[in-house]
Amino acid sequence: AQSVTQPDIHITVSEGASLELRCNYSYGATPYLFWYVQSPGQGLQLLLKYFSGDTLVQGIKGFEAEFKRSQSSFNLRKPSVHWSDAAEYFCAVGAQYAGNMLTFGGGTRLMVKP
Amino acid sequence: EPEVTQTPSHQVTQMGQEVILRCVPISNHLYFYWYRQILGQKVEFLVSFYNNEISEKSEIFDDQFSVERPDGSNFTLKIRSTKLEDSAMYFCAIKDDSAETQYFGPGTRLLVL
Repeated sequence: AQSVTQPDIHITVSEGASLELRCNYSYGATPYLFWYVQSPGQGLQLLLKYFSGDTLVQGIKGFEAEFKRSQSSFNLRKPSVHWSDAAEYFCAVGAQYAGNMLTFGGGTRLMVKP
Repeated sequence: EPEVTQTPSHQVTQMGQEVILRCVPISNHLYFYWYRQILGQKVEFLVSFYNNEISEKSEIFDDQFSVERPDGSNFTLKIRSTKLEDSAMYFCAIKDDSAETQYFGPGTRLLVL
């Protein structure tokens, strides 16, 4: 069974500082990996995804993530955080077959200090 | 990015009542999903739907739940007899056959009293 762990429940960073949100997954083969962002009271917006190829993927809003197979990780990064990035971030894993369900991590709530 | 809307945005119901949540994709898609998120908890998969039938479902998706596409466009989730623990945000997601990314709707917040 696939699973996702996001070790950090809350993270607070200062505006302009760099950010890294951790995500570890468990899956028997190469998974599809996603990061979604949820602003308060909103739905889930796709930030970026990894299917294959280059292990460093770029997403929207200046985010990037790196797939590391040896560490079963897919950490999300941003070099300089903006106050509008305050939200909850979810890592998700999906199996590589059509119609696959997604398994989500518990989420990391990001707070940004001015 | 494909668009999907959900109605209603909020619903309050009494325990034991039936509710129907609707998902309306803006364009035609092949795969539909329902997920839920209980307040403060992770997003959980409920069911996937392909070619007018359920393709996968979780343990949460028991006999109280059903899904259908009654008019070939809307995708609905019905909860026959709501329980207090059904209170959650329910998200619909869609996916094309040619892609692997699921796109989520804004959600319906269900409160069971």
